[in-house]
Amino acid sequence: DAGVIQSPRHEVTEMGQEVTLRCKPISGHDYLFWYRQTMMRGLELLIYFNNNVPIDDSGMPEDRFSAKMPNASFSTLKIQPSEPRDSAVYFCASSFLFDEQFFGPGTRLTVL
Amino acid sequence: QKEVEQNSGPLSVPEGAIASLNCTYSDRGSQSFFWYRQYSGKSPELIMFIYSNGDKEDGRFTAQLNKASQYVSLLIRDSQPSDSATYLCAVASSGGSYIPTFGRGTSLIVHP
Repeated sequence: DAGVIQSPRHEVTEMGQEVTLRCKPISGHDYLFWYRQTMMRGLELLIYFNNNVPIDDSGMPEDRFSAKMPNASFSTLKIQPSEPRDSAVYFCASSFLFDEQFFGPGTRLTVL
Repeated sequence: QKEVEQNSGPLSVPEGAIASLNCTYSDRGSQSFFWYRQYSGKSPELIMFIYSNGDKEDGRFTAQLNKASQYVSLLIRDSQPSDSATYLCAVASSGGSYIPTFGRGTSLIVHP
């Protein structure tokens, strides 16, 4: 398996623009997680899905953030409109049951 | 609010020494404990997990769990420069639906 795949790897955008991050989890994994990592706040859980259903989105900072998982092999995290304080590395991770989480390579987002 | 605390470091040790990384947690109902390693610019990867009180050894790594004192530690024997990374402690409980809460990590530097 290729592991968790994320795209794009780097994104530079201007304030106010819409940003869409994409994730393909490992086949057979039933949990998918979106994290944000910054120096100030560390690794924060934004939202997680179980069998494509959002379970807990209490970590989503604002209504500007939304996430979807239309099928077992694809998820998106959208920020609209983006702000400079959204600049961070966004990780997608997947797991089978409550086992080890496998992280994707991350998307480094810079909002100017 | 479940909290996982780690000293941010950096912890600096000479090559060949034992590196000791510590983590405390607030939720007494915690049941699963994980150590992830994150190299600079990379994603976290699981290196150890422990569920029961006591020690668990895997090669040069030993995880130690003391539920009564609510701490978990990671010992790295014969430290190598390649062990230089940030080590993230993650703790899961049934109260949190077994989804791990991550600490902010301890930076380890192993110097030759």
